[in-house]
Amino acid sequence: SQQGEEDPQALSIQEGENATMNCSYKTSINNLQWYRQNSGRGLVHLILIRSNEREKHSGRLRVTLDTSKKSSSLLITASRAADTASYFCATEAIYNQGGKLIFGQGTELSVKP
Amino acid sequence: DADVTQTPRNRITKTGKRIMLECSQTKGHDRMYWYRQDPGLGLRLIYYSFDVKDINKGEISDGYSVSRQAQAKFSLSLESAIPNQTALYFCATSRIGGELFFGEGSRLTVL
Repeated sequence: SQQGEEDPQALSIQEGENATMNCSYKTSINNLQWYRQNSGRGLVHLILIRSNEREKHSGRLRVTLDTSKKSSSLLITASRAADTASYFCATEAIYNQGGKLIFGQGTELSVKP
Repeated sequence: DADVTQTPRNRITKTGKRIMLECSQTKGHDRMYWYRQDPGLGLRLIYYSFDVKDINKGEISDGYSVSRQAQAKFSLSLESAIPNQTALYFCATSRIGGELFFGEGSRLTVL
């Protein structure tokens, strides 16, 4: 079964707006990661947040993690047409040796110029 | 050259045929993974390997087998392909506690 569940499944916004995607998971985790996938291509890592961190920034990306609610959010500020892609969260469950990542179903983001 | 290389990139085959997807990496990572992607289902883990002598089943290993020939090589086999194994397959590598680096994918169609 999938560890991560993402919401919304699809999001369409105008260029310049902010995009927020959410991820919920079921078990305790070591870390949570966000990835981006352009259509049919390999996934590219965006950001990793550890279980003892609450917020992390990277450029226009802001990730939050609430371990009490087992949820995370990815915020992309001032979106651009080039941000159009699918975004996935992945969790490394705490019971593992480490490194085994389970992915959510993804959010498909469309940024219109 | 890409850090993670998958071959073939595209393959069409018939039900019952044996198929091997190959993956090689130049990252020097010990950990390698095979994922399957289907529309609307995200990525599901098939097998993963933390070193040459360590291979583990993932979420959906039935119908698949793997071989870790060397630190840099990890192959996925479908002994007798069936149509519901039609999917996009990704190989990935990582170091301990780090992010995954993905290949560009192998699109498999089973008729």
